[in-house]
Amino acid sequence: AQKITQTQPGMFVQEKEAVTLDCTYDTSDQSYGLFWYKQPSSGEMIFLIYQGSYDEQNATEGRYSLNFQKARKSANLVISASQLGDSAMYFCAMREGMKTSYDKVIFGPGTSLSVIP
Amino acid sequence: DTEVTQTPKHLVMGMTNKKSLKCEQHMGHRAMYWYKQKAKKPPELMFVYSYEKLSINESVPSRFSPECPNSSLLNLHLHALQPEDSALYLCASSHPHRDRGLYGYTFGSGTRLTVV
Repeated sequence: AQKITQTQPGMFVQEKEAVTLDCTYDTSDQSYGLFWYKQPSSGEMIFLIYQGSYDEQNATEGRYSLNFQKARKSANLVISASQLGDSAMYFCAMREGMKTSYDKVIFGPGTSLSVIP
Repeated sequence: DTEVTQTPKHLVMGMTNKKSLKCEQHMGHRAMYWYKQKAKKPPELMFVYSYEKLSINESVPSRFSPECPNSSLLNLHLHALQPEDSALYLCASSHPHRDRGLYGYTFGSGTRLTVV
């Protein structure tokens, strides 16, 4: 069974500093996808970044980058230049079902990030 | 239109009530999902519809009844719920094609359900 681990239940970061949120995963599939989602207190799940298991380069989206280390089965999210609006819950997630017409995505337990002015 | 719209945003219902949650998308996505999320926990998959057919039911109690009447609409019918069913219910949709950048879900903003 697939599993996602996020070992940091809560983190604090100073505004304008960079922060790394850890994620490790476990799967026996050769082909899979990894995501990071942001969930503010309003409840909406916001897609941040995607990394495919065969992608050779680390994904980047603006201030977000994904540090993908396939051999270690880790997919850490790096947020550069933190902003107050980055305070939220962050979920690492993994997709299985590559050969299906749908994506079955499982989520890690989440990391609560607080940005300090 | 790149949205998934969920209604209502908030719902309070008694344990003997029947209510429905609605989810709508017009992005041409052919897979739609219901997730349940308790406070400070990750979302848990409940149901998956692919091309309007139920593909996954994660052993959800029968008091939750999903329905996908067409490719744009997903409903969750609720009946005889328990207080422990109080949660945020998230709907999502995804694109069926495997082109890069089209993976993953688009989520709605959720329905906060309270069962009293």
